[in-house]
Amino acid sequence: QVLLLESGGGVVQPGKSLSLSCAASGFTFSTYGMHWVRQTPGKGLDWVAVISSDGNNKYYADSVKGRFTISRDNSKNTVHLQMNSLRAEDSAIYYCAKDKRSNGWFGSMDVWGQGTSVTVSS
Amino acid sequence: EIVLRQSPASLSLSPGERATLSCRASQSVASYLAWYQQKPGQAPRLLIYDASNRATGIPARFSGSGSGTEFTLTISSLEPEDSAVYYCQQRRNWPRLTFGGGTKVEIK
Repeated sequence: QVLLLESGGGVVQPGKSLSLSCAASGFTFSTYGMHWVRQTPGKGLDWVAVISSDGNNKYYADSVKGRFTISRDNSKNTVHLQMNSLRAEDSAIYYCAKDKRSNGWFGSMDVWGQGTSVTVSS
Repeated sequence: EIVLRQSPASLSLSPGERATLSCRASQSVASYLAWYQQKPGQAPRLLIYDASNRATGIPARFSGSGSGTEFTLTISSLEPEDSAVYYCQQRRNWPRLTFGGGTKVEIK
């Protein structure tokens, strides 16, 4: 069974940092790109970042570029999102999601985790 | 950035009825459009990719059509479990992936 399990969410003050993790199982993790997508409660979905299967290529939404860093550890089947200089508008549920294509990019996500909640508030 | 606008914002239909959801792109996305279903308290689920291809395990009552800037998700005969919010997403402007604002489908 293909599973993604996020962790690391919580409440943090503006300007502080938080690190999210996503543990993957049930598929050959090292061959798939991985995304982070966030959702503000009651609102829509916003793509945040993506990392290639080998970790060498990373892309970010303009809203998080320079503040967030995506990384992965293929030996541990995990993907991470380091979030620095957090703002109130970063408050959301953060989902990790698997890219649909192996050994390349597709740009749609066919497996999603259940999400982890991040609240940025003083 | 490619903006996706979905309509209607919500619709309420009875079981067995046909649902037609629209997604309009601010510029052509060719056929690089996906649809997702999100039920309350759950993560999104991929329904359709590349405009008209059903994802693995998706029932045949879900179908997608369109190209360029106009797309449609059709649910041919609504089931009670189809109550959800449906989102479109484009991958034409990789890596600047964007989602539409969603259409909420309520089953009467």
